[in-house]
Amino acid sequence: DAKTTQPNSMESNEEEPVHLPCNHSTISGTDYIHWYRQLPSQGPEYVIHGLTSNVNNRMASLAIAEDRKSSTLILHRATLRDAAVYYCILRGTDSSYKLIFGSGTRLLVRP
Amino acid sequence: DTGVSQNPRHKITKRGQNVTFRCDPISEHNRLYWYRQTLGQGPEFLTYFQNEAQLEKSRLLSDRFSAERPKGSFSTLEIQRTEQGDSAMYLCASSVRETGNEKLFFGSGTQLSVL
Repeated sequence: DAKTTQPNSMESNEEEPVHLPCNHSTISGTDYIHWYRQLPSQGPEYVIHGLTSNVNNRMASLAIAEDRKSSTLILHRATLRDAAVYYCILRGTDSSYKLIFGSGTRLLVRP
Repeated sequence: DTGVSQNPRHKITKRGQNVTFRCDPISEHNRLYWYRQTLGQGPEFLTYFQNEAQLEKSRLLSDRFSAERPKGSFSTLEIQRTEQGDSAMYLCASSVRETGNEKLFFGSGTQLSVL
């Protein structure tokens, strides 16, 4: 499985935008870029995913580099409830569709 | 949609005992996954079911671990002769095939402590 690289931790102030980077230089043409987050004492939850084009949903935006070797998850206005571990995952189209998690980025939001 | 339900939320057991966890996926989700997570690490894939068929098992799943999904609905994960190294959060997830890709929905997990 292709690997992703994320910073171990990041900090942000409440109500400010947050840009969480992810490098995936060995991405293949059919790999989707998925982001999940895990709040304390909960299972991971889906945030967003994309293939080539930038994507927006109610939770976040995903900006994908033109060469697809990196991407950025954007939280437009961080809240205290956004404090979590954010995982960037490459997902192929093999039959199991399982997710392979790395260590993720722990986001701390300061009030 | 009541979400993925896992029981129990917490389990404390003594080394050498057997434990069983249950996962109830979102209804109509035909895919079910088990993961294990230790402190400070991301979840590690253990096994995957499509309906009642167990289609993939990780090397992490030793012969003390067994998972079943009878009738393709709920699933159980049993650990026999537990060891202290089995202490972890055990997460279940379910999904249903979507156009070209899909999202996993996770439960809140079962925290196992082996004394």
